[in-house]
Amino acid sequence: AQSVTQLGSHVSVSEGALVLLRCNYSSSVPPYLFWYVQYPNQGLQLLLKYTSAATLVKGINGFEAEFKKSETSFHLTKPSAHMSDAAEYFCAVGGSYIPTFGRGTSLIVHP
Amino acid sequence: DAGVTQSPTHLIKTRGQQVTLRCSPISGHKSVSWYQQVLGQGPQFIFQYYEKEERGRGNFPDRFSARQFPNYSSELNVNALLLGDSALYLCASSLASGGSNTGELFFGEGSRLTVL
Repeated sequence: AQSVTQLGSHVSVSEGALVLLRCNYSSSVPPYLFWYVQYPNQGLQLLLKYTSAATLVKGINGFEAEFKKSETSFHLTKPSAHMSDAAEYFCAVGGSYIPTFGRGTSLIVHP
Repeated sequence: DAGVTQSPTHLIKTRGQQVTLRCSPISGHKSVSWYQQVLGQGPQFIFQYYEKEERGRGNFPDRFSARQFPNYSSELNVNALLLGDSALYLCASSLASGGSNTGELFFGEGSRLTVL
């Protein structure tokens, strides 16, 4: 069995501020972990993935995430938010055939 | 290369009607998955097909069915539509080589279904 919990349905930051989106997972097998981004009226786009190599994973658009097994976490960060980062972000856990998605966190970026 | 394409992009149906949604995967991808995304929620898994066989089914009623064709395209059918079926239906393709799946999915832009 596997599940994902995203803490905070909405996160609001100022442009230029640090972005931190939280994700905790549960998995009975070694997990594959993913972050996807969804812009309004679009499908989901892969930001980055962890597949048991380096624990710090770098993705597109300056995002990165760190896998912490002891904390069962895979939080997403970006040092400096841009207005264009405003979107819905989904954490997902795989490792079996079927990835399971979290409920999503809406990132709001203020000028 | 073309990404995952879905049709139609938007449609409106009334309760009790039936709907068919279509998906063409990325060239070379043999697995197609369907997800339902209700407004404000994450995608919920409906079906996965690999090499034309059903590999997984989510917790959805029998009114939902799907199939995959020899060219790996797929259809999702929903019968006896309910108001609660209103959602964005997402199709995703993946390589899924050897029957395993690292989980990396490539999504289409979805079909937005409104049931009145």
